[in-house]
Amino acid sequence: DSGVTQTPKHLITATGQRVTLRCSPRSGDLSVYWYQQSLDQGLQFLIQYYNGEERAKGNILERFSAQQFPDLHSELNLSSLELGDSALYFCASSVAGTGPSPLHFGNGTRLTVT
Amino acid sequence: DAKTTQPPSMDCAEGRAANLPCNHSTISGNEYVYWYRQIHSQGPQYIIHGLKNNETNEMASLIITEDRKSSTLILPHATLRDTAVYYCIVSPLNSNSGYALNFGKGTSLLVTP
Repeated sequence: DSGVTQTPKHLITATGQRVTLRCSPRSGDLSVYWYQQSLDQGLQFLIQYYNGEERAKGNILERFSAQQFPDLHSELNLSSLELGDSALYFCASSVAGTGPSPLHFGNGTRLTVT
Repeated sequence: DAKTTQPPSMDCAEGRAANLPCNHSTISGNEYVYWYRQIHSQGPQYIIHGLKNNETNEMASLIITEDRKSSTLILPHATLRDTAVYYCIVSPLNSNSGYALNFGKGTSLLVTP
């Protein structure tokens, strides 16, 4: 058990809808990361937050947004969903916002867009 | 960040050592080598990291060549539960632009009975 909690585990929704994925980091970790893993793209970095502030941005679509709250949990909002957004979405956390702090991953949210 | 090259797949017999190579010939002086693994559809799991010295922990050993252009992850006694995709990642120690570990395609390790 990594200590990172992601909810929900599974989500099935229709195209055009909006969903929110939630992540609670390990106790004491200040940084949260979101990754997307689809069959053809592998594990893609989306965005990083450190103590409530955005620190790094990867290949995150404009339809996607995230935030980290004062209690350090994070939410990833996906809107105007398309079939291609179907993927596993992982959250990770680390103590620091830089290396070499190891990342600890949750078990992901599996999103299916129909 | 420096790029890494790993073989797409490897086999290893249970109980034997699994040696997973990684090439990172463009690594720079402030970049660490990290290893993670992902067991089918679970979240990736941190294994080990190093800068220039060899490192060992309860999971594995990391051997980095003197010129730092390549490294090898060693699982000393592979078990069936070590079957996973292993990712070798190179990333700077500190970056003003954040800490985004870029996972490539990794090496799919199959441990056989």
